[in-house]
Amino acid sequence: DIQMTQSPSSLSASVGDRVTITCRASQGIGNDLGWYQQKPGKAPKRLIYAASSLDSGVPSRFSGSGSGTDFTLTISSLQPEDFATYYCLHHSTFPQTFGQGTKLEIK
Amino acid sequence: DVQLLESGGGLVLTGGSLRLSCAASGFSFSSFGMSWVRQAPGKGLEWVSYISNSGGSTYYADSVKGRFTTSRDNSNSTLYLEMSSLEIEDTAVYYCAKGSWEDVWGQGTTVTVSS
Repeated sequence: DIQMTQSPSSLSASVGDRVTITCRASQGIGNDLGWYQQKPGKAPKRLIYAASSLDSGVPSRFSGSGSGTDFTLTISSLQPEDFATYYCLHHSTFPQTFGQGTKLEIK
Repeated sequence: DVQLLESGGGLVLTGGSLRLSCAASGFSFSSFGMSWVRQAPGKGLEWVSYISNSGGSTYYADSVKGRFTTSRDNSNSTLYLEMSSLEIEDTAVYYCAKGSWEDVWGQGTTVTVSS
């Protein structure tokens, strides 16, 4: 099974900061990776698919990059509504696996 | 708009069974595979299962293999998760999601397993 190692597990940042979250796959997955945002008590929402494609309606301050085993989610200028938990998910093979999550908190 | 609405959650004793449903609308249900994902209280997301668009192929996480069965009724645009031999560790919010790329999610239904 492919394991996804996500870091950091938590992050404290300020409005306007640039933030980067990383996921590493235990073996190559091409670009079969998505990034999700989850707010408390809500269902996850996909932000990025195919590692770097922005979902419709997602602000352009979100971007994804990477392929193979190393992937990043970048938020270029944090906004108050971006404080949430973020997960990566690989869908290269079954079983799919999520990263452990990154809780983004206000500094 | 694509909508997914889960139902069937509740309180069940260890060793018991429960069937979750996910009613889909706003897209051609029979053209897409569907996934189940769960989230234990205070924990991260865990992929549970996937079923192909025809229902001919199913995949499961090791943690539920042999106890959970995913099926679908394309005539009624409904996805199911049949859960048996439930354990305390199965307590979670269960989400259905569209496709193997999980692009749209339902709001979730809560399953609580108690001894």
